[in-house]
Order: sequence, then C-alpha cells, then structure tokens
Amino acid sequence: NAGVTQTPKFRVLKTGQSMTLLCAQDMNHEYMYWYRQDPGMGLRLIHYSVGEGTTAKGEVPDGYNVSRLKKQNFLLGLESAAPSQTSVYFCASSYDGTGAYEQYFGPGTRLTVT
Amino acid sequence: RKEVEQDPGPFNVPEGATVAFNCTYSNSASQSFFWYRQDCRKEPKLLMSVYSSGNEDGRFTAQLNRASQYISLLIRDSKLSDSATYLCVVLNAGNMLTFGGGTRLMVKP
Repeated sequence: NAGVTQTPKFRVLKTGQSMTLLCAQDMNHEYMYWYRQDPGMGLRLIHYSVGEGTTAKGEVPDGYNVSRLKKQNFLLGLESAAPSQTSVYFCASSYDGTGAYEQYFGPGTRLTVT
Repeated sequence: RKEVEQDPGPFNVPEGATVAFNCTYSNSASQSFFWYRQDCRKEPKLLMSVYSSGNEDGRFTAQLNRASQYISLLIRDSKLSDSATYLCVVLNAGNMLTFGGGTRLMVKP
C-alpha cells in the first residue's frame, strides 16, 4: 500500500497563476483533509471531506477550493495564487470520524508563490 | 491566544538525558489529546494518545492535567533518533484536530 500520496512534491508559481494539488489514498478512508504548515503556526486545516462528494471549510479556507469526486482522491485548487499562500501543504486521511485522531499524512507539497 | 500552545524550543539534550515538553490548550471542552512526531521535512505521524490517568509507551510517558489544561510528554534515555519536532494535538467537537506549533528536540551525542 502506498498510503497517502501527493502530487507534485514541489512547485513554484507566479502571483495570479492557478494550480491543483492532488492527493490520493489507497486505504479506503472516508475522511480526507488539506492542511497548510507555516513556521511557528502549526498545521492549519484548509478544507476537509467526510466522504465522496462532500467538502467543508476548515480554519483557513479563503483562496482555496476543493473537490472529492472519487473516494480515494481529494484535490486542492488555488485559483489565483498569492505570496501569502507560500507554504507546505499536507493532505491527510482517516478511517472515519471516530478514527479522526489518527490521521495519515502524505509527504507534503512545498509551494512557493513569487 | 492560540488554541494549543507549545514552547518551540529547540531543546538541546545529550544522549541518555530525560527531557519533558509541556503544552497548554485553551478549549476546556476538548475531548482527546495526542502527541504527533514530525521529522525534519517529513510528514507528521501519530506518536501516542494522552489519557487522564497517564500512559506510557516504552521510553515515552504522556500525562494530561484537565484542571490546568496542559499536556506533557516525557522522554527518558533520549536517543539520537528521537531528534524531531513533537506536535501537541487536540481533538475537538466535530472530530477535527487542532495542532500546536511544535517543540523541536535535538539530541546530541
């Protein structure tokens, strides 16, 4: 099992460009999450999904959109990138809500917006 | 005030030392507590849960003090491989995790 994978691992964008980050999990998990991690800030939840076809806003959703068309995939979109979105993005999944304490993380995507 | 606060460190300790980290949380309704470990430039991984009665996993001991709203992690006989950032994590209503900023530990030979 690959666990949770993320594509791409690194990306540099210019302000105003758009991109999509892909997260895939092969553990048949119901819940999936997108976080961003900035120095000294801890991981902050951007959006999450409690099942195929559902999405919900987290703590810092502005400037991002998500989609969960298939249970195993969770996409994070940046429509018009800004320098404030320079960060490390982690995707995670958990079996379900009661198992949400144990989240399995992907290796991260390092995004720089110039 | 951050919901989960940790001393960022770094804590520099020699091999074999005992080191302890504390973490405070602001939401008194928080239900469950955990420690995650994050190696440099890697993803976080669950280290252990924290129970009111305290729990031990090998060289690691976690404690919860609900009255004072703090959580602690004690590492005995530190190894070089313990060098990492330790994240204090709280599970809140709605089954969402809130992460602290992390405490960095560096174990030196």
